[in-house]
Amino acid sequence: EAQVTQNPRYLITVTGKKLTVTCSQNMNHEYMSWYRQDPGLGLRQIYYSMNVEVTDKGDVPEGYKVSRKEKRNFPLILESPSPNQTSLYFCASSDGGSGNTIYFGEGSWLTVV
Amino acid sequence: KNQVEQSPQSLIILEGKNCTLQCNYTVSPFSNLRWYKQDTGRGPVSLTIMTFSENTKSNGRYTATLDADTKQSSLHITASQLSDSASYICVVRGRNTDKLIFGTGTRLQVFP
Repeated sequence: EAQVTQNPRYLITVTGKKLTVTCSQNMNHEYMSWYRQDPGLGLRQIYYSMNVEVTDKGDVPEGYKVSRKEKRNFPLILESPSPNQTSLYFCASSDGGSGNTIYFGEGSWLTVV
Repeated sequence: KNQVEQSPQSLIILEGKNCTLQCNYTVSPFSNLRWYKQDTGRGPVSLTIMTFSENTKSNGRYTATLDADTKQSSLHITASQLSDSASYICVVRGRNTDKLIFGTGTRLQVFP
């Protein structure tokens, strides 16, 4: 079954404590990306990756890092989380064609206090 | 500025009724338009993808239409079911870009 798996699904953390949200896909997709979803706003892209070792900034990259060492994994790193990073995060993947379906993970609820 | 605007913001209908959701966009040049269904607390799931040359596309009780000239799309839901309660998100992709522009969604609630 085609899946994009994120962990953790729910996390409460404190300001400044580094955390990583993992994302893994089993479809051999080249393209992966991270989004955040906040009330009243559409999904906003944080970072994306066209392939292994190729990453680029999205619309709201400040405060985030990513890496793409393997095709299937695309972790999102918050080096020093702040309360304004409290949000619902989604990882997504597709095989890269402009008309291809994008598959989203189930989301990670992050609260920074 | 590339934008995607959806209306209404929220909608309540009775089970069995039809409804239509609207999406207007300013993204140009345009590549494709997608409709996603997002259940509360879950990831978006693709319903339809339409290119500029397609006027209509169906997926079961969901029918999407596209008018590339007026930059408008609609999603029509026929014979609504309780399970249709969700947010419906319109997403537009510009040509020669990997970026997607997301609308803020229409929250649909279907009551028995």
